[in-house]
Amino acid sequence: QVTLKESGPTLVKPTQTLTLACTFSGFSLTTSGVGVGWIRQPPGKALEWLALIYWDDDERYSPSLKNRLTITKDTSKNQVVLTMTNMDSVDTATYYCARYRGLYEPNDYWGPGMMVTVSS
Amino acid sequence: QSVVTQPPSASGTPGQRVTITCSGSRSNVGNNFVYWYQQLPGTAPKLLIYKNDERPSGVPDRFSGSKSGTSASLAISGLRSEDEADYYCATWHDSLSGPVFGGGTKLTVL
Repeated sequence: QVTLKESGPTLVKPTQTLTLACTFSGFSLTTSGVGVGWIRQPPGKALEWLALIYWDDDERYSPSLKNRLTITKDTSKNQVVLTMTNMDSVDTATYYCARYRGLYEPNDYWGPGMMVTVSS
Repeated sequence: QSVVTQPPSASGTPGQRVTITCSGSRSNVGNNFVYWYQQLPGTAPKLLIYKNDERPSGVPDRFSGSKSGTSASLAISGLRSEDEADYYCATWHDSLSGPVFGGGTKLTVL
């Protein structure tokens, strides 16, 4: 069965860089059409898509955050890593890892999410 | 402000049928599949409907999706108290080259 799990720091200071890892199982990121990405949700607010990487290394980023994000994959480890630079309090949110099973379609599976707080 | 619009709230009584809409444009809803998710309090979202009207295995047939033009809808029939949750639509946005979410609809079962 498909599972994804997020890991990383739960607290970062303003201006620091956040690095989150998504470790997944039950599918392969070498399969045509498959992607893994990140979505966040500030407390009490709506979901916001951040970034996505496909099996063929095609990377997609939210236009509003593109300059701060980098997404990479390690297929040997079944892992996708997201880095977000210059963290600010407005970046405090639950960060979700997600699986995409088709090109140009939203995700089907979600990780449980992890809360990241930005505070000095 | 999302490019895909949902009503912020909806409500119904047990047994009723409730519909939640998702409105967009030709560059998102109109040209791409719409997905729907249910988010129960304190949990990750869960896929309810994919490719406009398909239900994943395990999702009750009380939940149904449809799309016409630049709008999509999620219908919940035989409303139950456990359906009280936030519901989000999502689709691909052609010019943004990525997925977009609606702003979410909070469903209250009265």
